[in-house]
Amino acid sequence: EADIYQTPRYLVIGTGKKITLECSQTMGHDKMYWYQQDPGMELHLIHYSYGVNSTEKGDLSSESTVSRIRTEHFPLTLESARPSHTSQYLCASSGADTQYFGPGTRLTVL
Amino acid sequence: AQTVTQSQPEMSVQEAETVTLSCTYDTSENNYYLFWYKQPPSRQMILVIRQEAYKQQNATENRFSVNFQKAAKSFSLKISDSQLGDTAMYFCASLYNNNDMRFGAGTRLTVKP
Repeated sequence: EADIYQTPRYLVIGTGKKITLECSQTMGHDKMYWYQQDPGMELHLIHYSYGVNSTEKGDLSSESTVSRIRTEHFPLTLESARPSHTSQYLCASSGADTQYFGPGTRLTVL
Repeated sequence: AQTVTQSQPEMSVQEAETVTLSCTYDTSENNYYLFWYKQPPSRQMILVIRQEAYKQQNATENRFSVNFQKAAKSFSLKISDSQLGDTAMYFCASLYNNNDMRFGAGTRLTVKP
């Protein structure tokens, strides 16, 4: 079944650690996105990609980085996690117009 | 800049009744798409309904329907026969040029038994 996956679902980590949030989709979509969302609040686009080797920064400034080496994979990396990075991170993909979302990763940095 | 405004931060409705969530948007584009997404508590964001701006007919998906007023730039969501499982955050969104997606701030809907 075509879907979009995110791991881990929950992550609690100490300040200064390097982390990578994984996102994979089996929908064959070219476009992928990362959003940051505080619980119950609006979404903020932090990164997007229109295809392999294409990455762009979104509207919200973020200290994270992304890569797109394979069409189905769009990982997000934080080199040095800080408490201000505590949030939910949503990955999405789209073909023509509609975006489909993964289940999210809830990150807590102590 | 393209914007999407949801003026109702919170709403509630009795089970089995009808509720309408408001959304307005601002664009100078002629070709765009509009969406309503639902995000239940601690669960995945899912698409509720999609509207193509060049289609005058309002989109409908079972108990969910929209009132699309293009001239007024309004895109409200009507939920009929509300169910407890409809309790969620609802986000209105617009897509321009197939690349620029904008979300509203969301409306928290509570369905009361």
